[in-house]
Order: sequence, then structure tokens, then C-alpha cells
Amino acid sequence: QKEVEQDPGPLSVPEGAIVSLNCTYSNSAFQYFMWYRQYSRKGPELLMYTYSSGNKEDGRFTAQVDKSSKYISLFIRDSQPSDSATYLCAMSRSQGGSEKLVFGKGTKLTVNP
Amino acid sequence: GAGVSQSPSNKVTEKGKDVELRCDPISGHTALYWYRQSLGQGLEFLIYFQGNSAPDKSGLPSDRFSAERTGGSVSTLTIQRTQQEDSAVYLCASSLPGTSGGVTQYFGPGTRLLVL
Repeated sequence: QKEVEQDPGPLSVPEGAIVSLNCTYSNSAFQYFMWYRQYSRKGPELLMYTYSSGNKEDGRFTAQVDKSSKYISLFIRDSQPSDSATYLCAMSRSQGGSEKLVFGKGTKLTVNP
Repeated sequence: GAGVSQSPSNKVTEKGKDVELRCDPISGHTALYWYRQSLGQGLEFLIYFQGNSAPDKSGLPSDRFSAERTGGSVSTLTIQRTQQEDSAVYLCASSLPGTSGGVTQYFGPGTRLLVL
């Protein structure tokens, strides 16, 4: 079993839809949970990160972490065609550097106008 | 400001040749990471540098892979005797250590390596 599992999709939704992206993990030592967005032929860019369990909101994006279930989610409200990208979840055990990020395989999202 | 830069952006090589990939991190970022992104495998950690500390090489897949970081800035990833399975996008990231900085890794655009 991989440490981080993510459904690769692809996921196709109409503009304005609410998108739900999810990852599960097996290592209970993970403390920091991140979502990256990667456009085609570009490097990943950090969208949000959350420490431990709970929710975090930033504009149209909401990240949720449920450590008891080892499950994290990213919700995108009022999705736009510009949100079309691959979304990668990532996790680490600490924030002070010295800790690699463990990534899911990414979910490819297309938002259709 | 300038982000993480990588060169070359694309590299085609023949099996058995050596290749060098370069990464210029964001100025002032003391932490530098190399990852590999291949089809079906996602992003995999390769190696991590932090200041003058010994690098974390735990992700290097074989002894054909090595990396160095000179002067705490530029890093070079070297793959010797390349194999077809080395074909992937090699991504470099940098970050500031310490509170809230360590998890915020800034990625470069990557080097796309194709081994024929």
C-alpha cells in the first residue's frame, strides 16, 4: 500500500460546479497536509496547507483534514475553466524542512465552460 | 521576484550517457529538494539539502544518481549511465526552513528527460 492514495481521475465538471478532491493516507505521523496545483508542463504551485485536523478556507478553496480517518479533501466552489489542472495532495511529518513531501499521484480536473 | 529556475528545460540523451541537470533556487532559500515525476508514479522525492548539513539522499533510486549543491545555492543532479526508465520530469524545489516555511516549497518548471 502506498503511503498516499489519490484517484487520478480524470474529473470533468461544468463551470460553476463544486469540485471535491480527496486523498487517503496510511502514515499516522503526517502532520502537515498540502494541496498543490500543476498546470500542464509547469511545476506544482502550493494552493493551501493545513496543520493537523480541521478546515481551512481561502477564497473559493476549502481544505479539510480528518486525521482520525486519515482522509483529506479539497473543495473548489464556483469552479472556473482556469481551475483546469492536475491537483496533487502532499504530506509531511514536520514543517522545519528536513522532511520530504510525500505526494499523491494527482487528479486531473477539467472545468468545461 | 525570480522563482526557481532549472536547465535545460528538455534533454534527450542516449542510453548509457551521463546527464547533468541544474537548479537555481530562490535567493535566500536554504533548503533545496529534487523530485522526479514520471507517468503513473507521481512525484517522488530524490534528495534534500539544508544549509551545510549532510544531504538526505534517502530517495535516490540507485548509485547512478548523485547531486551536489555548491556554495549553498545552485544544485546539480547527475545521472550516470542513463537508462530508459530514467525518463521523467525532474523537478527542483526550494524553501525557507523554520516556522511555516518548511512546508512551502516553491517548484521550478522541471527538466524533461528522455532517454532513447
